[in-house]
Amino acid sequence: QQQVKQSPQSLIVQKGGISIINCAYENTAFDYFPWYQQFPGKGPALLIAIRPDVSEKKEGRFTISFNKSAKQFSLHIMDSQPGDSATYFCAAGLETSGSRLTFGEGTQLTVNP
Amino acid sequence: NAGVMQNPRHLVRRRGQEARLRCSPMKGHSHVYWYRQLPEEGLKFMVYLQKENIIDESGMPKERFSAEFPKEGPSILRIQQVVRGDSAAYFCASSPRGTIGGYTFGSGTRLTVV
Repeated sequence: QQQVKQSPQSLIVQKGGISIINCAYENTAFDYFPWYQQFPGKGPALLIAIRPDVSEKKEGRFTISFNKSAKQFSLHIMDSQPGDSATYFCAAGLETSGSRLTFGEGTQLTVNP
Repeated sequence: NAGVMQNPRHLVRRRGQEARLRCSPMKGHSHVYWYRQLPEEGLKFMVYLQKENIIDESGMPKERFSAEFPKEGPSILRIQQVVRGDSAAYFCASSPRGTIGGYTFGSGTRLTVV
């Protein structure tokens, strides 16, 4: 009940295209859903996060869509750039009462110039 | 304002040796979390500590692994008698309030067991 499933495992997109990464969770008590970006040799960096009281959150070219009834959320990267090439992780947890994040398996995004 | 500092960045140990990984949280952060990332996998929670206290160690293997966060100095993740399967990237995160919304991750320690 703690799993977070992420897909696809890898994604190749042309510059200017839209990158879409999907995640599904099991624990309906989760109330915090962040996305992390990780470059090789670096630690994960928080990209954007959403809470279940909203269905969408947008920050620049990055948008999270959240479907509470389906227990799914997704990251959309608009106008993808080669500099966006990285591994993206979704995660979920209990924001105030939990001590841990449960991460998805990661998606390796490559944006071709 | 330095971020979360982890050292060493790379650590090579022979099977049976001990590995010590250090994590200095961000200034003002008193909550530390350790995660392990195996190749081609996501991060897995290991342990959550506050100064001088282990709050949640439910993700730690029962044997050979231990963690501490003393009153002074960095948090230490210790792996005794390392085996090949311990080869992974170990990440530390810190937060100011003990909530997952405040996580900042370090750059990790890559442990290779030969």
